[in-house]
Amino acid sequence: AQSVTQPDIHITVSEGASLELRCNYSYGATPYLFWYVQSPGQGLQLLLKYFSGDTLVQGIKGFEAEFKRSQSSFNLRKPSVHWSDAAEYFCAVALMNQKVTFGIGTKLQVIP
Amino acid sequence: EAEVAQSPRYKITEKSQAVAFWCDPISGHATLYWYRQILGQGPELLVQFQDESVVDDSQLPKDRFSAERLKGVDSTLKIQPAELGDSAMYLCASSKRRPDGYTEAFFGQGTRLTVV
Repeated sequence: AQSVTQPDIHITVSEGASLELRCNYSYGATPYLFWYVQSPGQGLQLLLKYFSGDTLVQGIKGFEAEFKRSQSSFNLRKPSVHWSDAAEYFCAVALMNQKVTFGIGTKLQVIP
Repeated sequence: EAEVAQSPRYKITEKSQAVAFWCDPISGHATLYWYRQILGQGPELLVQFQDESVVDDSQLPKDRFSAERLKGVDSTLKIQPAELGDSAMYLCASSKRRPDGYTEAFFGQGTRLTVV
């Protein structure tokens, strides 16, 4: 069955530390891949996307993600986390001309 | 910068009452989506429109939910009657139709529904 897995429901990091949020997918073909961020009570903002080309993609707010076909993964990274990065992060996938399907989300807490 | 507009932002309603949400997508976006996000979960698609036509409503509880996009622009999602389990964030999104099939959805701020 097609699925998107975010294995970490909650992550806590210290401000200034590096961050990696994991995402794995299970699809017959390589889907389009996205990371969205959601602040409490707000809508979803697109951080970055991948659909072909360079497997390391840069996004907004200093985030990047790497697509690894062999591992069916699309992990999100940031070298130095800021307190304002505290939010919920959703990995999402879409096949051609089909809906965007979201993972369960990873809630990021940043401590001083 | 163009945005997806949703109203209201917050809605409290009693169970068994009717409630409606409105969405105005980004101009020129042919595809419109309604997602429901239950607290602590990721958004799940309720219905997808291509222009004024429904292309996916497989997860829409059709006994109580309805959605329309009469002129292929703005859209209304209705619940009648509302149940306690309908309490959630309702998100609207839109995207352009692209020849490569790539779908980048832009989301509105959502409507937080509380059923009491």
